[in-house]
Formats: sequence, C-alpha cells, structure tokens
Amino acid sequence: DAKTTQPNSMESNEEEPVHLPCNHSTISGTDYIHWYRQLPSQGPEYVIHGLTSNVNNRMASLAIAEDRKSSTLILHRATLRDAAVYYCILRDVRSSNTGKLIFGQGTTLQVKP
Amino acid sequence: DGGITQSPKYLFRKEGQNVTLSCEQNLNHDAMYWYRQDPGQGLRLIYYSQIVNDFQKGDIAEGYSVSREKKESFPLTVTSAQKNPTAFYLCASSISAGQGNTEAFFGQGTRLTVV
Repeated sequence: DAKTTQPNSMESNEEEPVHLPCNHSTISGTDYIHWYRQLPSQGPEYVIHGLTSNVNNRMASLAIAEDRKSSTLILHRATLRDAAVYYCILRDVRSSNTGKLIFGQGTTLQVKP
Repeated sequence: DGGITQSPKYLFRKEGQNVTLSCEQNLNHDAMYWYRQDPGQGLRLIYYSQIVNDFQKGDIAEGYSVSREKKESFPLTVTSAQKNPTAFYLCASSISAGQGNTEAFFGQGTRLTVV
C-alpha cells in the first residue's frame, strides 16, 4: 500500500483559508487520493477525493499536483467546527483491491477564534 | 436515514470476558471494515469483508473474530486472547471493496474499556 506523509499539526485563524498538505511520492496510477477528518470521539467523516484533476465540493477543495506526488486540501474559510484530525489516504481503484483505507497519523488542525 | 450504526457507544467488561460489538448498515454496501484506534493514533485495520459470508484478516486480527452472515451486519468479537482490548473501535462500509473512487462511511464508534 502506498504511503502518505502529513505534518503532525497546523494552526489557523477562524475565517481564514487553510491549506493542508500531503505527500504521496509512491502513488500508483490506480490510486485515488481521499481525505477524511475526525472530530474528537467520533468516527471519521469523508471530505473529498480525486484522481488527477482538482476537485471542489461543499466542504473543501482538493488540489492535486501535476505529477500526483502531492496534494493539498483547502478549507476556504476555517470555522471552529473544522478543528479536527485530517487524514490523507490513498485508495486503489483496481477491482482486486480490498478497498481498505490505510490511515497514517494525520494532521491535527487547530482553529483559533 | 441511511447510515451505519454501532452499538453500544460505551462498553465496560471484565478482563477475560469475550465481548461482541455490533455494526449495522442500511446503505446496501457490500464491503465492511473494522478498525481500532488507540489514543493519539490513527486507525488500524482489524478485519474486513468484501461480500456476505466472506471476510479477511487485517493488520491486527489476533484476539478478534468476526462474522458476516448478513449483508447489513458485521459484528466484531473481542476475545480474551486480545492482550490489550481497551480502545475505540470503528466500523465502516463502502459500496464495494474494489472501487477506490467511492467513499467509505464510518459509524460513531464503540469505546471499550476492560477492567
């Protein structure tokens, strides 16, 4: 399984944009880039995913480097409710894959009022 | 509402007792997963099932057992052989195992404390 590397922690001010980086230098052509976040004492929540092109949804944007070796999750205006652990995960699209999500340590985002 | 339900939210057991954690989904998903999370750590895969009546060991299966008799249900039993069972247990599901372009849904977790 390909690995991802994220900073342990980041800080942001409320209502400012947040850019959460992720490195995945061993990504394969069949890996989708997924982001999940986990609030304290809750299960992880899906945020966004993409393959090659940048993606936008109501929660966030995902910017994927041209060589796909890195990506950035963008929260356009951080709120206090966005304080969570953010996980960047690679998920193989091949039918032979188990579909399991391999979690790293993630990035703990603190949002200051 | 469609979703994935874990019960109970908190569970206390005496050392040496087996305990079963419930996970039910009404999303019509084929694939289901069990993860364990220790304080300050990421999630680690215990068992997964890609289809009914089939399941495979994950990275830390020792001391655990599962069954998948129905599509909707994937209970996890923590046996007395598990050396350090106190943890936060999370169940997840996805449409199918082999589709990396689909999201996984997680339950709210069961916090197991063994005394």
